[in-house]
Amino acid sequence: GAVVSQHPSRVICKSGTSVKIECRSLDFQATTMFWYRQFPKKSLMLMATSNEGSKATYEQGVEKDKFLINHASLTLSTLTVTSAHPEDSSFYICSAGLAGGPEQYFGPGTRLTVT
Amino acid sequence: KQEVTQIPAALSVPEGENLVLNCSFTDSAIYNLQWFRQDPGKGLTSLLLIQSSQREQTSGRLNASLDKSSGRSTLYIAASQPGDSATYLCAVRQYAGGTSYGKLTFGQGTILTVHP
Repeated sequence: GAVVSQHPSRVICKSGTSVKIECRSLDFQATTMFWYRQFPKKSLMLMATSNEGSKATYEQGVEKDKFLINHASLTLSTLTVTSAHPEDSSFYICSAGLAGGPEQYFGPGTRLTVT
Repeated sequence: KQEVTQIPAALSVPEGENLVLNCSFTDSAIYNLQWFRQDPGKGLTSLLLIQSSQREQTSGRLNASLDKSSGRSTLYIAASQPGDSATYLCAVRQYAGGTSYGKLTFGQGTILTVHP
């Protein structure tokens, strides 16, 4: 149980375009989802926390207008990278938590390459 | 601000060795600590989770300890195998109170290579 999926697993887009990444909790309802970014050989950096039905809370230094997060249901959160630039190329990982539970369950990640 | 440090950054050992990975954190007011494994280009696999009230957790050849007062955790891997080669990440969750989640703060990871 507690499976989190991400789609797509890999995406290549051109500079200036927008790309949407989906994070789904497959077998549980996630009241809270988290979005992380990971640079090569670096650790995960929390970008934002999203709660179902409310606005996401962004970490310091993360542009909320560039990284749009929507958590419209208890099983789906989306991250949209708007007007992507090559420096946005990274590995994006989401996680989801069970209401009241101690753990976060991580998705397999999405490799974004902006050309 | 919580900071998590992992030592060593990389470790290469021959198969069969027992090894210890270290994790330290600056703010001891944590809710729990979790060890993850990450294979190249993949997501995270949770290995062990230790609640703040616990001292250790074991799963198979893995044993994780927690000394909250000193801000340290270790991951012990017994009889290492080539399949253990991966990046191991330590993460601490702050206590947020109520039903809200505290953030996970990750260390930079230890890259483990076990050679036959």
